[in-house]
Amino acid sequence: KNQVEQSPQSLIILEGKNCTLQCNYTVSPFSNLRWYKQDTGRGPVSLTIMTFSENTKSNGRYTATLDADTKQSSLHITASQLSDSASYICVVSARQAGTALIFGKGTTLSVSS
Amino acid sequence: GAGVSQSPSNKVTEKGKDVELRCDPISGHTALYWYRQSLGQGLEFLIYFQGNSAPDKSGLPSDRFSAERTGGSVSTLTIQRTQQEDSAVYLCASTYLSGGSGELFFGEGSRLTVL
Repeated sequence: KNQVEQSPQSLIILEGKNCTLQCNYTVSPFSNLRWYKQDTGRGPVSLTIMTFSENTKSNGRYTATLDADTKQSSLHITASQLSDSASYICVVSARQAGTALIFGKGTTLSVSS
Repeated sequence: GAGVSQSPSNKVTEKGKDVELRCDPISGHTALYWYRQSLGQGLEFLIYFQGNSAPDKSGLPSDRFSAERTGGSVSTLTIQRTQQEDSAVYLCASTYLSGGSGELFFGEGSRLTVL
């Protein structure tokens, strides 16, 4: 069964600290993996998209890694800011019909001052 | 427009009433998705439109839910005889590529509350 599991479910960190969010998946055949940021009351916004051959991709202070062998991904946030407080969603696409986007439940990050 | 537009942003209705939610995708995007997001839950796929192909309706939870996409652009999600469990945020997304390979652009969602 295609599944995407994210951990931790929630996380609280101090402003300026780094953190890492985890995503494990059992989606096959794999096409790509995406990380989205969803602010409260807003729609998700794409941070990164990685295909099978990519093992790291950065977007400013956000760095995503992908290990296709172990089917794990991480999202590292450097020097966190209050505006990083949001839900971070891992989405894995299976190489088949366009509906095959498997969403994780997200990690809720709270950055406090 | 510059992004995916959804309306209304908030809708409060009484149980048993019908509601219509609208999505205006990014111009030129051929694929359009509807998702439902309940509190504390991940996004739940509802329906997928790709160009002129028959839509994938496999995620619609019951026959009270239906959606159409006119002229390959604007889409309307209709929920008939609403129930309290229909309360959720309904998100629309569009992309320029089929097959799950293109970046998805989401609207801000329509928050539905069924009393």
